[in-house]
Amino acid sequence: KAGVTQTPRYLIKTRGQQVTLSCSPISGHRSVSWYQQTPGQGLQFLFEYFSETQRNKGNFPGRFSGRQFSNSRSEMNVSTLELGDSALYLCASSLQGRELFFGEGSRLTVL
Amino acid sequence: SQQGEEDPQALSIQEGENATMNCSYKTSINNLQWYRQNSGRGLVHLILIRSNEREKHSGRLRVTLDTSKKSSSLLITASRAADTASYFCATVYIIQGAQKLVFGQGTRLTINP
Repeated sequence: KAGVTQTPRYLIKTRGQQVTLSCSPISGHRSVSWYQQTPGQGLQFLFEYFSETQRNKGNFPGRFSGRQFSNSRSEMNVSTLELGDSALYLCASSLQGRELFFGEGSRLTVL
Repeated sequence: SQQGEEDPQALSIQEGENATMNCSYKTSINNLQWYRQNSGRGLVHLILIRSNEREKHSGRLRVTLDTSKKSSSLLITASRAADTASYFCATVYIIQGAQKLVFGQGTRLTINP
């Protein structure tokens, strides 16, 4: 069974641009969560989707948004990028109420 | 904040020794999970312990949970160089029927050969 796939793995953007990250969950997993990891703040919860509905949202500004498609694939978007958005963005999928399976992450650098 | 706290932040031991990491949290949980992360990679789930369980084993891993003290510990026995990684506890809450995981800051474990 294929694991969680995140694309792109690495990307560099400049301030003010926007970025879209993609996540393909494990087949059969309908829950997808997104996390931001930085050295200073650690792992911060962004949002969780289940069957195309956002069920939980972390304390991030509205520049951070996401969505989930009918095949459970998910995307997250960050608009008007700031230097502080540089981070490893991790996606995880799970069966409801079970452990998370993480992708390898998308490392975003904002210059 | 619901975020758990882990200690120590960093731990360096010799191969073959045991490593113990601790996690404390503030509010009642549904379950607690431990994850491992190799540098710059995704997290890998190690073990899940439910709020009504006190101890769980998986191979060389032993996890305890004390809900009265709101704390958990992860013990890795007979450590190996390959155990070098960061270890995170995640406290799990049920909010409106959905589970929400809150991760601690992690313990960076170094196993010296």
